[in-house]
Amino acid sequence: SQELEQSPQSLIVQEGKNLTINCTSSKTLYGLYWYKQKYGEGLIFLMMLQKGGEEKSHEKITAKLDEKKQQSSLHITASQPSHAGIYLCGADRHTGNQFYFGTGTSLTVIP
Amino acid sequence: DVKVTQSSRYLVKRTGEKVFLECVQDMDHENMFWYRQDPGLGLRLIYFSYDVKMKEKGDIPEGYSVSREKKERFSLILESASTNQTSMYLCASSLGRGAFFGQGTRLTVV
Repeated sequence: SQELEQSPQSLIVQEGKNLTINCTSSKTLYGLYWYKQKYGEGLIFLMMLQKGGEEKSHEKITAKLDEKKQQSSLHITASQPSHAGIYLCGADRHTGNQFYFGTGTSLTVIP
Repeated sequence: DVKVTQSSRYLVKRTGEKVFLECVQDMDHENMFWYRQDPGLGLRLIYFSYDVKMKEKGDIPEGYSVSREKKERFSLILESASTNQTSMYLCASSLGRGAFFGQGTRLTVV
């Protein structure tokens, strides 16, 4: 089965700092999704990337899918306490309408 | 916006009880999923359904069953709850690209 590796597993940054979370697959990604989860709650859909080299932004969050479609990065600029939570990447499985998920990156933003 | 609603945010049940977790989506999605989320293990797929009355086992179906009598509703059933089923349960729906999640149900089995 396809696995998604996220790094780092946890991150503590000071408010205002930039940060990057990575999601790496051993196989070509055909659809890559980023989600944010506040502690104890469900997943909120952030962005979907499908094409190699694609980049999308929403407010201060930018996600990229590399040309080879095997790695994605999520970059937060000028982090705020509201960015705190768990960030998960997900990808389409090749067979059936199912998804893989990374194990998540826990982000803490210190005021 | 897609809305996926899970019937309970928090549940506490006793060992051996039959437990129903309900999930409703309002976007006419064909595919619905149940996951459990545990620290260090991420999201693991329990069951999914791609049509009414259709169901497929995911990665960890043991101890669970599901029901999909209507397109908008997908129920997860714990026939006899056990303490190792204490977890966060997440329902999702999809049209085939990406999944939209409910708010989660934190189930504690005592």
